[in-house]
Amino acid sequence: NAGVTQTPKFRVLKTGQSMTLLCAQDMNHEYMYWYRQDPGMGLRLIHYSVGEGTTAKGEVPDGYNVSRLKKQNFLLGLESAAPSQTSVYFCASSPIGYGYTFGSGTRLTVV
Amino acid sequence: QQPVQSPQAVILREGEDAVINCSSSKALYSVHWYRQKHGEAPVFLMILLKGGEQKGHEKISASFNEKKQQSSLYLTASQLSYSGTYFCGTEKGPGGGADGLTFGKGTHLIIQP
Repeated sequence: NAGVTQTPKFRVLKTGQSMTLLCAQDMNHEYMYWYRQDPGMGLRLIHYSVGEGTTAKGEVPDGYNVSRLKKQNFLLGLESAAPSQTSVYFCASSPIGYGYTFGSGTRLTVV
Repeated sequence: QQPVQSPQAVILREGEDAVINCSSSKALYSVHWYRQKHGEAPVFLMILLKGGEQKGHEKISASFNEKKQQSSLYLTASQLSYSGTYFCGTEKGPGGGADGLTFGKGTHLIIQP
């Protein structure tokens, strides 16, 4: 039982490049989320999904897009990376009315 | 709106007790608590629901004062393994987590032998 798996774990991008972060969960959870964590800021919600084919904006959605074509996968895309997007990105999933299971994170540096 | 956690940091000796507080200016439906060790993912500790129901899987207790929009996490007889950063996450409505959580900035807990 792998839980929530994020790939890649580390990535360095140049300004303007694009990339996709993959999140996969094997717990059949309905809800999935993408957060970013910056020093002193806590965890901030980027986008979330309440089910296959549905997505919604969170607190800091600008510069990111998401897709949830399959229930177990939630993709986060950066179309044109900026240094302000340097962060640690966490994916999480949850069943209805219970706590989140987080992935191990992706450390992204944009230079 | 981001909940406010206090204290920002606390240093304890092994065996001592700690209380971490989380407060919000808006009405809350539920409060989650997570612990994150350095370089690792946050780990779910407990959820407290409006009406008093608690759900969790660790031997840590918490309270939820709906009138004051506050929650407190109680760590008794602390162990070295309790060290880490504790986050509260708040949910504004009864969506079962659907709208995501708003997290506080965290409380750093250091347990010394």
